[in-house]
Amino acid sequence: EVQLVESGGDLVQRGGSLRLSCAASGFTFSTYAMNWVRQAPGKGLEWISYISGTSGTINYADSVKGRFTVSRDNAKNSLYLQMGSLSAEDTALYYCARDNNVWSFDFWGHGTLVTVSS
Amino acid sequence: QSALSQPASVSGSPGQSITISCTGTRSDIGDYNLVSWYQQHPGKAPKLLIYGVGGRPSGISNRFSGSKSGTTASLTISGLQADDEAVYYCSSYTARSPVVLFGGGTTLTVL
Repeated sequence: EVQLVESGGDLVQRGGSLRLSCAASGFTFSTYAMNWVRQAPGKGLEWISYISGTSGTINYADSVKGRFTVSRDNAKNSLYLQMGSLSAEDTALYYCARDNNVWSFDFWGHGTLVTVSS
Repeated sequence: QSALSQPASVSGSPGQSITISCTGTRSDIGDYNLVSWYQQHPGKAPKLLIYGVGGRPSGISNRFSGSKSGTTASLTISGLQADDEAVYYCSSYTARSPVVLFGGGTTLTVL
């Protein structure tokens, strides 16, 4: 059974940093690209980052480019999102999602909540 | 780049069919058959319903179908059931930044 479990969400001050993790199981992690998608409270979905299976291709949304860094450790079946220079606009539930190689997200975690206080 | 455009809400009665539209541009929906649809119930993670415009993942009911014409994609739900009441999001790959665009979401109410 495919499982994605996010962790690391917390209450952080404006300008602060945070590292999110996503533990994957139930599939061959290294053969799938992964994504981070966030959802602000009461709002819609926003794609923020993509990383290929080998980490050879990485993309970011403009809203996080230069502040967030995505990485993965295939030996640990884990995906990460290093977040910096956080602002209130980054307050959201952050999901990791598996990419089925046609830019669709076929499995999602339950999300981890990041709250940025001013 | 702006999000894809979806109606804020649609409604239908049990057993009926409804269609949700998702309008983009030539840079996203128009140029790529990489449109997906997701269903999200309150407090839950999104669930993939449709990929590649009309593909259905294993386990997804054939009551859900997707199509595309020009720069507009559509999700049709037939034989509406109470459990279909949820928010539906479309998404598309785009060669521009951001790489993936989502629609604003459509709330489906089953009357």
